Amino acid sequence: AAGVIQSPRHLIKEKRETATLKCYPIPRHDTVYWYQQGPGQDPQFLISFYEKMQSDKGSIPDRFSAQQFSDYHSELNMSSLELGDSALYFCASSLGQGVETQYFGPGTRLLVL
Amino acid sequence: AQSVTQPDIHITVSEGASLELRCNYSYGATPYLFWYVQSPGQGLQLLLKYFSGDTLVQGIKGFEAEFKRSQSSFNLRKPSVHWSDAAEYFCAVGSMEYGNKLVFGAGTILRVKS
Repeated sequence: AAGVIQSPRHLIKEKRETATLKCYPIPRHDTVYWYQQGPGQDPQFLISFYEKMQSDKGSIPDRFSAQQFSDYHSELNMSSLELGDSALYFCASSLGQGVETQYFGPGTRLLVL
Repeated sequence: AQSVTQPDIHITVSEGASLELRCNYSYGATPYLFWYVQSPGQGLQLLLKYFSGDTLVQGIKGFEAEFKRSQSSFNLRKPSVHWSDAAEYFCAVGSMEYGNKLVFGAGTILRVKS
């Protein structure tokens, strides 16, 4: 079965650079969630989209922005990167906004030097 | 405020022994509950979920969990642990009232002794 695809899988950036993470949800899934997992931490919710509209917002820095496109893929744009942004970024998708299971991608590991 | 507590940071069990990982939640709404497993450097794999109905749910890899509303708990169990079960386990809670975002516990790292 098709799963959530995230690209790139690994990314190394310098401080103050920008990064774009991409997420391709499971086919027919219309809801995307982004989570950040710092080293040794649990995943923290950043932002979610349903039918291309932002549906919820968590602890996402103002330096970050995201959107969902007409084909339901999503991109997380990160600017003015800081050392503390080094983390594993997960995307999850689900079908609809009801009580649904979120299926997680393999994550993008971002290292900021 | 929503919170999930996994009281055990590390657990070590012998291969073949039984396992119970604890999860307690504090939620101001009707929760739905998940257990995910994460191997080092890997993504989160769904083990099982509880939305409603039978409070004992079966998952993949021989895992089960029981939802106890009176105790606000959703403990994960396995009768006989295999070496390949060594990983980090996360309990997560969501609710439609809170936009379906998942709140995770801090995780429990399971080590399996041979």
